[in-house]
Amino acid sequence: GAGVSQSPSNKVTEKGKDVELRCDPISGHTALYWYRQSLGQGLEFLIYFQGNSAPDKSGLPSDRFSAERTGGSVSTLTIQRTQQEDSAVYLCASSPPGGGFRTKETQYFGPGTRLLVL
Amino acid sequence: AQTVTQSQPEMSVQEAETVTLSCTYDTSESDYYLFWYKQPPSRQMILVIRQEAYKQQNATENRFSVNFQKAAKSFSLKISDSQLGDAAMYFCAYRSGGSVTEKLVFGKGTKLTVNP
Repeated sequence: GAGVSQSPSNKVTEKGKDVELRCDPISGHTALYWYRQSLGQGLEFLIYFQGNSAPDKSGLPSDRFSAERTGGSVSTLTIQRTQQEDSAVYLCASSPPGGGFRTKETQYFGPGTRLLVL
Repeated sequence: AQTVTQSQPEMSVQEAETVTLSCTYDTSESDYYLFWYKQPPSRQMILVIRQEAYKQQNATENRFSVNFQKAAKSFSLKISDSQLGDAAMYFCAYRSGGSVTEKLVFGKGTKLTVNP
């Protein structure tokens, strides 16, 4: 079936503007993750959604970052008042529901959105 | 907090030869999972291989195999019969087995070049 999709593929914005990044997980996957990949920091976890549970927002770098997941499927990552240090590739991943104690979920990644803040 | 270290920023290999990428990690947990992901220029992260810490047997996937040394906290990736399509960034990643979040902790990556 179709993999994880993300849009837009590339986004150029001006400092101070808000941006929205979209992620469509694989159908049936209950878990959804956002990561940020930047030259200086490598790959960093941002936020995690699992079913109807409260999201784990522990990786969000500031209150300018927020994310929501509607209907347990599509997710939107919003960055308000963008700064140049927000320039990075934003990766989304999803994983299927696990079963039992020894969960073996693999995270399947989308192609990412490259964000450039001028 | 767990950390993952990849000490080789860049590696190169001749086509058809074998190359080993290094990864070490730091954790106090006994239950966890380790992964190698490949990221070609297309940016898509692709799972190469995974290892459950409770398994003593090293994982293998076709030309890819790992050397998992739990006591040494080492998890190296061996690529046999290297192909041009293997050229990419390779990331080692750790996931806690007991964490609710199941987030991945990544190393900085190793850029692999395959020479014809």
